[in-house]
Amino acid sequence: GESVGLHLPTLSVQEGDNSIINCAYSNSASDYFIWYKQESGKGPQFIIDIRSNMDKRQGQRVTVLLNKTVKHLSLQIAATQPGDSAVYFCAENIRNTDKLIFGTGTRLQVFP
Amino acid sequence: DAGVTQSPTHLIKTRGQHVTLRCSPISGHKSVSWYQQVLGQGPQFIFQYYEKEERGRGNFPDRFSARQFPNYSSELNVNALLLGDSALYLCASSFSPQGSYNSPLHFGNGTRLTVT
Repeated sequence: GESVGLHLPTLSVQEGDNSIINCAYSNSASDYFIWYKQESGKGPQFIIDIRSNMDKRQGQRVTVLLNKTVKHLSLQIAATQPGDSAVYFCAENIRNTDKLIFGTGTRLQVFP
Repeated sequence: DAGVTQSPTHLIKTRGQHVTLRCSPISGHKSVSWYQQVLGQGPQFIFQYYEKEERGRGNFPDRFSARQFPNYSSELNVNALLLGDSALYLCASSFSPQGSYNSPLHFGNGTRLTVT
C-alpha cells in the first residue's frame, strides 16, 4: 500500500526486542497526550493515552511515560512483533481547546 | 460494530473544482472531527463538530467548510481546489467533545484526494 510517510525518523528493531519511540511536545498547557499507530493505507489507530497529571500508564505490551519537566513523551513496546511495524504519532490536546496537535511521526520497522 | 466510515476512498480532481467528502461516525458518537494529512506529516486539525455545532476550526482557508447532519454524519467541502490540497483527509469521531481523556478519537481510513 501507499507509504504513510516518507523521510520520517525510523527506528529499526529486531523481533522480540523492546522498542522505545520518543516525542517532544512544546505546549505546557497540554491536558493529555495520546499515541496513535498508523499502518500504510489506514487511518491512525488509538494505542494509549495519558493525562498530564500522570507520569506513567501501562497497557497491553505498551507503556507511555510522560516527563513534563523536559516536555517529553515516550512509548515503549515490549516484545516487538512484525505487526507493530507502522508509523507512530504522538498527539497532544491543548487544555480548553477541542483539537489534537500531532507530531511528525516515527516509522518503526521490525525485522526477523 | 462498524468503525468510522469515509467515502470515497480515493478521488482525483482538477484544480479549481469542488469536492465533497463524507463521513459516518461510530454509532453513538456525536462528535466528528476532520484532519488533513499531507504525505510525510502528521494529521492537521481542520474542523470539529459536536451535536451539529462547529466547536473548533484549524488554520485553513475559507475554501474549506463542513457540516454535521442530524444523524451525526458529516461532510467536508473544499472549493477552488489547489494542488496543495492533495492529501489524505481523515475523519474521526468520539463520544464526547474532542479533548476528553479516555474518550479518544477513532479515525476512519481516510479519503485520498489528488488534485491535478
